[in-house]
Amino acid sequence: LAKTTQPISMDSYEGQEVNITCSHNNIATNDYITWYQQFPSQGPRFIIQGYKTKVTNEVASLFIPADRKSSTLSLPRVSLSDTAVYYCLVGLAYSGAGSYQLTFGKGTKLSVIP
Amino acid sequence: NAGVMQNPRHLVRRRGQEARLRCSPMKGHSHVYWYRQLPEEGLKFMVYLQKENIIDESGMPKERFSAEFPKEGPSILRIQQVVRGDSAAYFCASSPPRTAPHTDTQYFGPGTRLTVL
Repeated sequence: LAKTTQPISMDSYEGQEVNITCSHNNIATNDYITWYQQFPSQGPRFIIQGYKTKVTNEVASLFIPADRKSSTLSLPRVSLSDTAVYYCLVGLAYSGAGSYQLTFGKGTKLSVIP
Repeated sequence: NAGVMQNPRHLVRRRGQEARLRCSPMKGHSHVYWYRQLPEEGLKFMVYLQKENIIDESGMPKERFSAEFPKEGPSILRIQQVVRGDSAAYFCASSPPRTAPHTDTQYFGPGTRLTVL
């Protein structure tokens, strides 16, 4: 399973665009890149998933360069309610016992400042 | 369409008691996962179940922990003889029958926060 590295924390002012970069040098050919968001005292929530180039939905954009060794989650015009922990996940860990699991690191704690 | 439901949201137990956590997956989802999260940490996989079957329990502690997903009713994570180290947030996730495991999207419940006194 590819290891991911992302900043521990980031601060941003309201209304700014926030870019969170995740490194995954050992990404495998079949791995997808998925981002989850977790608010305090809540379960993680799926934000976006991609394989290559750019993916955009109503919440965020995901930029993946050609070598796929990193990815950038872009949140346009953040608000206070975007304060959360953002997790970058690459692939699914196959346990060898019949299942695929999500493997979460410590994520990036985004604090949006008024 | 209701999301993943978990109850109770908060559970307090004294050392040695049993804790029973419930999870109702989203409608149409037949796969259930349980994860545990310690403070300031990411989620750690515990067990994966389908209806009436435990598919993978490689993340479960060897003793005191068990899980089930009966034909009718919610999935249950049971912790016997709780200890202080069991204090954590326990999250359940569900997903539909899988066709492409590498793109699996799991939908999480709000979690149960277990406190062991």
